[in-house]
Amino acid sequence: SQQGEEDPQALSIQEGENATMNCSYKTSINNLQWYRQNSGRGLVHLILIRSNEREKHSGRLRVTLDTSKKSSSLLITASRAADTASYFCATFVAGGTSYGKLTFGQGTILTVHP
Amino acid sequence: DTEVTQTPKHLVMGMTNKKSLKCEQHMGHRAMYWYKQKAKKPPELMFVYSYEKLSINESVPSRFSPECPNSSLLNLHLHALQPEDSALYLCASSPGIQGTEAFFGQGTRLTVV
Repeated sequence: SQQGEEDPQALSIQEGENATMNCSYKTSINNLQWYRQNSGRGLVHLILIRSNEREKHSGRLRVTLDTSKKSSSLLITASRAADTASYFCATFVAGGTSYGKLTFGQGTILTVHP
Repeated sequence: DTEVTQTPKHLVMGMTNKKSLKCEQHMGHRAMYWYKQKAKKPPELMFVYSYEKLSINESVPSRFSPECPNSSLLNLHLHALQPEDSALYLCASSPGIQGTEAFFGQGTRLTVV
């Protein structure tokens, strides 16, 4: 079963606008990561936020994490047409005797119009 | 070298064929993964190898058989697949420490006919 649920499922904006995507999850996690996927190929890691962190920035990206609500958001500021892609949150839960699991949410398809 | 290389990029196989997918990384990562992704869906975890040992098998059918011959190489052996197994198969790796970012290959697009 999928750990993360994202909304919206699809987001269409104009270049220069901000894009916000939300992710909710069900169980306690060690960290939450955001990935980007272009045209159904490989995923690229964007940012990782640990369970004891509340906010993190990387360039035009801002991620927040609310462990009490089991939710996270990804904000992309000043979007560009090149940001058009699918964005996935992924939760990491460490294993006991086994390695941990990185489980992906349903994803948000972002379209940025020039 | 920060790449995970997957071969082949595309594969068409019949239901009676045996084929293998290959994944290679030279970043010294000690965890390697196989994910399956259907169109418009998120990647689904299949297997995790940690230090060349199978750590997680997400109840994957036995027609999928993973192998980790060494710390740089991960294979997925395919046998007697079904058309519903057609998907993008993604390999990823991460450092041995749990919870770090994963580096993904470009995937193998598999079609079972």
